[in-house]
Amino acid sequence: NAGVTQTPKFRVLKTGQSMTLLCAQDMNHEYMYWYRQDPGMGLRLIHYSVGEGTTAKGEVPDGYNVSRLKKQNFLLGLESAAPSQTSVYFCASIEGGPPYNEQFFGPGTRLTVL
Amino acid sequence: GQNIDQPTEMTATEGAIVQINCTYQTSGFNGLFWYQQHAGEAPTFLSYNVLDGLEEKGRFSSFLSRSKGYSYLLLKELQMKDSASYLCAVREGMDSNYQLIWGAGTKLIIKP
Repeated sequence: NAGVTQTPKFRVLKTGQSMTLLCAQDMNHEYMYWYRQDPGMGLRLIHYSVGEGTTAKGEVPDGYNVSRLKKQNFLLGLESAAPSQTSVYFCASIEGGPPYNEQFFGPGTRLTVL
Repeated sequence: GQNIDQPTEMTATEGAIVQINCTYQTSGFNGLFWYQQHAGEAPTFLSYNVLDGLEEKGRFSSFLSRSKGYSYLLLKELQMKDSASYLCAVREGMDSNYQLIWGAGTKLIIKP
């Protein structure tokens, strides 16, 4: 049982390049989230999904797109990377409705945009 | 607006007790969470409070006062491995998307 995994772990991009971050969970969780974490700031929600085939915008969605074609995978895409997107990206999942509360996090992807 | 405040950094001594405070102003309230995050790692769940009072789990306890918009995390018998950031997060709504609003975290430094 691997939990939540993320690939890649590190990436350096040039401004304007595109990439996709993959999040996978093997816990059969319904809800999945993409966050970014920047120094001195709390985790900020980019996009989330409440089930296969559904996605919704979070607090900071601009410049990102997501897809959830399979229940276990949640992809985050950057179409044209900008230096402001330099951050650590975390994926998280939660089993579903009450009484489930704990979000399980992946190990993170450290992205630098030059 | 939404706001969660925590001290940026705290220092404590191994074996001692430390209390990390969190105050929040949110449009709704449906639970408060504490997570631990070691440097370079992912956050891990510590505790959840939805009713007023103290929840104890081993060396860690979490307290909530909804009327005051206040919570604290109490760590007893501090160990060097407790050096980490502690994140406070609030779930606002009763809906099903389980979004959390996160504080910036408190970096706890444990000294021998």
